[in-house]
Amino acid sequence: DQQVKQNSPSLSVQEGRISILNCDYTNSMFDYFLWYKKYPAEGPTFLISISSIKDKNEDGRFTVFLNKSAKHLSLHIVPSQPGDSAVYFCAASAHSGYALNFGKGTSLLVTP
Amino acid sequence: NAGVTQTPKFRILKIGQSMTLQCAQDMNHNYMYWYRQDPGMGLKLIYYSVGAGITDKGEVPNGYNVSRSTTEDFPLRLELAAPSQTSVYFCASGRDVLEQYFGPGTRLTVT
Repeated sequence: DQQVKQNSPSLSVQEGRISILNCDYTNSMFDYFLWYKKYPAEGPTFLISISSIKDKNEDGRFTVFLNKSAKHLSLHIVPSQPGDSAVYFCAASAHSGYALNFGKGTSLLVTP
Repeated sequence: NAGVTQTPKFRILKIGQSMTLQCAQDMNHNYMYWYRQDPGMGLKLIYYSVGAGITDKGEVPNGYNVSRSTTEDFPLRLELAAPSQTSVYFCASGRDVLEQYFGPGTRLTVT
């Protein structure tokens, strides 16, 4: 039972444009959300996170938006760069939980 | 700091063989995790540990065993390898569940 869903397996964006990656979740107990970035043959690396008490968190070119009523979050990358080409995983955690629940990932390709 | 290291990087096993995937971290983290990632899928938790001597099952523990005798090491044991265990295995560590640093992964093929 997939509690964190990334319904777009892939996304292609031109360099300089905005990339929007989406994530939906079903468990209302989730209160912390993270985005990880993964390059081929490497482990995932933490990118940005957001607590459920906020609706937006920004770090440089990366912004995560959280819509709790819709159980939806999105990652915006502005402007997109070719080095952003990677697989992006959405993950969620419930307070007092012991693990992260990961989505299947979205493969982003930023073309010059 | 080496961070999280995993050995081997690649391995091919025959059905029924056993092996141990090694994971070590030098950040003095209490939390350590083993995940597997199948093609086109997210990471699924196999086992986790919140400190030396303490381990517990994750979402997909069948066919695996772990031990945590030191803070630094968290080996994953595969007994009687099966084709369904063909996957990429990631070890991670952190100060808590919200902070996870991942190793580079071990690509395992069981034929």
